[in-house]
Amino acid sequence: GAVVSQHPSRVICKSGTSVKIECRSLDFQATTMFWYRQFPKKSLMLMATSNEGSKATYEQGVEKDKFLINHASLTLSTLTVTSAHPEDSSFYICSARDFEGRHSPLHFGNGTRLTVT
Amino acid sequence: AQSVTQLDSHVSVSEGTPVLLRCNYSSSYSPSLFWYVQHPNKGLQLLLKYTSAATLVKGINGFEAEFKKSETSFHLTKPSAHMSDAAEYFCVVSNQAGTALIFGKGTTLSVSS
Repeated sequence: GAVVSQHPSRVICKSGTSVKIECRSLDFQATTMFWYRQFPKKSLMLMATSNEGSKATYEQGVEKDKFLINHASLTLSTLTVTSAHPEDSSFYICSARDFEGRHSPLHFGNGTRLTVT
Repeated sequence: AQSVTQLDSHVSVSEGTPVLLRCNYSSSYSPSLFWYVQHPNKGLQLLLKYTSAATLVKGINGFEAEFKKSETSFHLTKPSAHMSDAAEYFCVVSNQAGTALIFGKGTTLSVSS
């Protein structure tokens, strides 16, 4: 089946630094990838939709200058948390579809646990 | 607008007993519905999906769900719980354009021996 790989699985950084998270579709091409944030014991919140070769589409309330998304190829999207602060600590999950359309399920990476100290 | 409501935030069962996780949806069109499972500190894994074919959908690990239009429900069931089924479960509906998935708030399943 379709596999989405996310790296790193866990990262600890100091306040004020930037962190990059990679999301790769291993056996399919994805023109669109999705970035979610999950708070403890909460459901997933869609942050942005990453579009290959064009600008990402951010959800309302998500700071695009803080959460930089780049989708440079059909198999790679990156999320960079810039000038991270402790409140950015969270579980970030990427996902992608192996075909388009509303019947298509999302395939998820294993997530990245970000801790900002 | 479409939405999903997971009726129980937490369900506890004993190993070997049936599992029922409830989900109701609201949609102005024929929906696509999914159930995902998430184990601690992991991503989400697709259990099963309904896409307007058979109303009884069989998924992985012995789970199944039945789409009931008259009740706007898509409950997840399993005849016999296993310890490894303890996890967070999400009921999900796709928007009409297929550009986004709307997640329920999740149900935590606990399985005791």
